[in-house]
Amino acid sequence: QKEVEQNSGPLSVPEGAIASLNCTYSDRGSQSFFWYRQYSGKSPELIMFIYSNGDKEDGRFTAQLNKASQYVSLLIRDSQPSDSATYLCAVYSSASKIIFGSGTRLSIRP
Amino acid sequence: DADVTQTPRNRITKTGKRIMLECSQTKGHDRMYWYRQDPGLGLRLIYYSFDVKDINKGEISDGYSVSRQAQAKFSLSLESAIPNQTALYFCATQLALEGEQFFGPGTRLTVL
Repeated sequence: QKEVEQNSGPLSVPEGAIASLNCTYSDRGSQSFFWYRQYSGKSPELIMFIYSNGDKEDGRFTAQLNKASQYVSLLIRDSQPSDSATYLCAVYSSASKIIFGSGTRLSIRP
Repeated sequence: DADVTQTPRNRITKTGKRIMLECSQTKGHDRMYWYRQDPGLGLRLIYYSFDVKDINKGEISDGYSVSRQAQAKFSLSLESAIPNQTALYFCATQLALEGEQFFGPGTRLTVL
């Protein structure tokens, strides 16, 4: 079992719809969770972080964390073509070691 | 703007050659990291440093070495490059443990 798992995609979503990206992790002691966006050929950039169970909203983005079920998700409302990218989930383990998932490729179709 | 830079941006080399990738930052962060990214495998940690005197191996350090010349500079060396080291390499900095990481633009390395 991978320590941080993501569906590789591609996930195809129509413009204006909600895109839902999921990530599961194996270390139950993990405390910090991040979502990075990476455009093709570019470096990752942080879009959301979450530490507590529940939802955290920032503009069109909502991060959801459920520690009991060991998953973290990212919702993108009103999806735009500019949201087409690979989304990397990153988790800090109980040993404060960061582990990245392999990423989910998202494609927003007009 | 405070920034993270990497040189070179692209490099093609031959098997057995020694190569150095350089990373510089003006963010004033103590923590610096080197990752490699391969298709379908995400980012994997090679080495990291929490200050000039602190160097730590990551999950895939074999075949690599690093040097932290100053707070602002962290270099990655491949002593004898091999084709399976062909990848995209990223340097990153971090202000606080378990905080956001800031990535450089990446170096695309090809080993023939």
